[in-house]
Amino acid sequence: AQTVTQSQPEMSVQEAETVTLSCTYDTSESDYYLFWYKQPPSRQMILVIRQEAYKQQNATENRFSVNFQKAAKSFSLKISDSQLGDAAMYFCAYGRGGGSNYKLTFGKGTLLTVNP
Amino acid sequence: NAGVTQTPKFQVLKTGQSMTLQCAQDMNHEYMSWYRQDPGMGLRLIHYSVGAGITDQGEVPNGYNVSRSTTEDFPLRLLSAAPSQTSVYFCASSRQTYNSPLHFGNGTRLTVT
Repeated sequence: AQTVTQSQPEMSVQEAETVTLSCTYDTSESDYYLFWYKQPPSRQMILVIRQEAYKQQNATENRFSVNFQKAAKSFSLKISDSQLGDAAMYFCAYGRGGGSNYKLTFGKGTLLTVNP
Repeated sequence: NAGVTQTPKFQVLKTGQSMTLQCAQDMNHEYMSWYRQDPGMGLRLIHYSVGAGITDQGEVPNGYNVSRSTTEDFPLRLLSAAPSQTSVYFCASSRQTYNSPLHFGNGTRLTVT
């Protein structure tokens, strides 16, 4: 079974600084997707960024980017120019692909605090 | 622009009571799922459906039933609530395409006393 590990239960960053959240996963599949979801205090689950395993280029979405290391099974999220609104719980998730992304495996989450 | 709608937002039950958490999506998504979120556990898959009339179990299905009579609706039933089912429940849906991400509802906070 696939597992997703987020080794940092909590992280903090100063406003305008950069922070990196770690995620590792275990799978024997070669075709899969990786996701980062953000959950602010409102409880809503918001997709931040996604990465297709067959793409070597790291995904970016504005201030958010990933460092995808397929051989190492690592998928870290970098937030640049952190803003107060980035404070949230962040979940890394694995989807097996092939249309199976409704069955995601989530990590336990990293709570990010942004200090003014 | 409703997306995935879950009701109720909050619910308190007594042990042994039954209830149904409602989930509806208006995006014509084929796939729908139910997750529960517990502190320190992330989200775990309860049940899922790949289309009307088709359901299957996820990681933590015990104590829950689902049905999918229409594309739009995917209710989650607790037949006899237990304190261990105190959690936040999320319904999610996605299209039946290779790279379609999950769209989540806003969650239901359930407390079983």
